[in-house]
Amino acid sequence: AQKITQTQPGMFVQEKEAVTLDCTYDTSDPSYGLFWYKQPSSGEMIFLIYQGSYDQQNATEGRYSLNFQKARKSANLVISASQLGDSAMYFCAMRANYGGSQGNLIFGKGTKLSVKP
Amino acid sequence: DAGVIQSPRHEVTEMGQEVTLRCKPISGHNSLFWYRQTMMRGLELLIYFNNNVPIDDSGMPEDRFSAKMPNASFSTLKIQPSEPRDSAVYFCASSPNWALYGYTFGSGTRLTVV
Repeated sequence: AQKITQTQPGMFVQEKEAVTLDCTYDTSDPSYGLFWYKQPSSGEMIFLIYQGSYDQQNATEGRYSLNFQKARKSANLVISASQLGDSAMYFCAMRANYGGSQGNLIFGKGTKLSVKP
Repeated sequence: DAGVIQSPRHEVTEMGQEVTLRCKPISGHNSLFWYRQTMMRGLELLIYFNNNVPIDDSGMPEDRFSAKMPNASFSTLKIQPSEPRDSAVYFCASSPNWALYGYTFGSGTRLTVV
């Protein structure tokens, strides 16, 4: 069975500082993808960043980077230079590329990030 | 590109009534997903389609729920009869190829069953 764990229900960060949101996953599939989504208070789900299980380098997208540690099964999101607009819920998700659950993007419970001015 | 379009944005209905949620995926995307979000259970996959064919509907709660995708540009999720425990935000998402790309979500439909 696949599982995503986000252990931080809430996080605070000072504006302009960096913050790391934790995510660990569990899967027996050899090929999988890891995703982070942002959900602001308005409710939409915004795709941030993707990491493939065979990617050699950590993914980066602007101020977002994914710290992928395959042996530890962790895929932490790092947001650099936090902005007030980064305040939102952040979801880590995983998708197996094979097996019966292929296609199913499984989400963690989320971390609520609050950026302080 | 207009993104994934869901309607209605909000729906309030009485218990026992039929509810139909609608989704228009991004043109050219051949995979479509219906998710439900609640405080208790988080985001759960209900069903997904590939090339208009249902691939996995194991997340559909019970026979009261049904989903169709009659063509590549339209899908519906129907609840009949609706119950208060169906109250949630229902998201539709699409992808050009679920194995290679991420999923683009619609704005969601907030359903309240009273």
